[in-house]
Amino acid sequence: EAQVTQNPRYLITVTGKKLTVTCSQNMNHEYMSWYRQDPGLGLRQIYYSMNVEVTDKGDVPEGYKVSRKEKRNFPLILESPSPNQTSLYFCASSFYNGDTQYFGPGTRLTVL
Amino acid sequence: AQSVAQPEDQVNVAEGNPLTVKCTYSVSGNPYLFWYVQYPNRGLQFLLKYITGDNLVKGSYGFEAEFNKSQTSFHLKKPSALVSDSALYFCAVRASGSARQLTFGSGTQLTVLP
Repeated sequence: EAQVTQNPRYLITVTGKKLTVTCSQNMNHEYMSWYRQDPGLGLRQIYYSMNVEVTDKGDVPEGYKVSRKEKRNFPLILESPSPNQTSLYFCASSFYNGDTQYFGPGTRLTVL
Repeated sequence: AQSVAQPEDQVNVAEGNPLTVKCTYSVSGNPYLFWYVQYPNRGLQFLLKYITGDNLVKGSYGFEAEFNKSQTSFHLKKPSALVSDSALYFCAVRASGSARQLTFGSGTQLTVLP
């Protein structure tokens, strides 16, 4: 089954404790992206990647890091999480043009 | 910079009636426009897109959208709403150039009343 998977689905952590949210897709997509969803703000893009070793900032990259060492994986790293990063995070992938994106189920992160 | 506005946070419509969810956009150059739907506790699902060609685009589940360049709008429509259409709808835009950054609107909660 074609899908985008994210882990963990739910995470409660404390300020400053480094964490990684994994994202993997099995559709051989070139394009991958991370979004955060906050009430009233819709989805805002954090980072995106056009292909392996190619990443670029979205609208809200501060406080986040990404890497794209393999085509199927695109982990999101929070080196020192803060409470304002409490949010619902979605990973998405598509073929090279980034148009019809397939979304993962989401990761609900709470930073205390 | 590109942006999307969804002026209605909430739209209520009776089952069987036509529905419209509004979207306007701002982008440099030609726009690529999208509608996505989010059901409770799920990720977003692609509904339809406008790249070029016919201004009326048909998508999944009987939805369609009309691209209006002069009004910079891309409203989502359905002739007859179903209760199961109740969900959160997002409009998105990107420029037709080389950048692949997709900008989403704030979302519109559609409730179809039985």
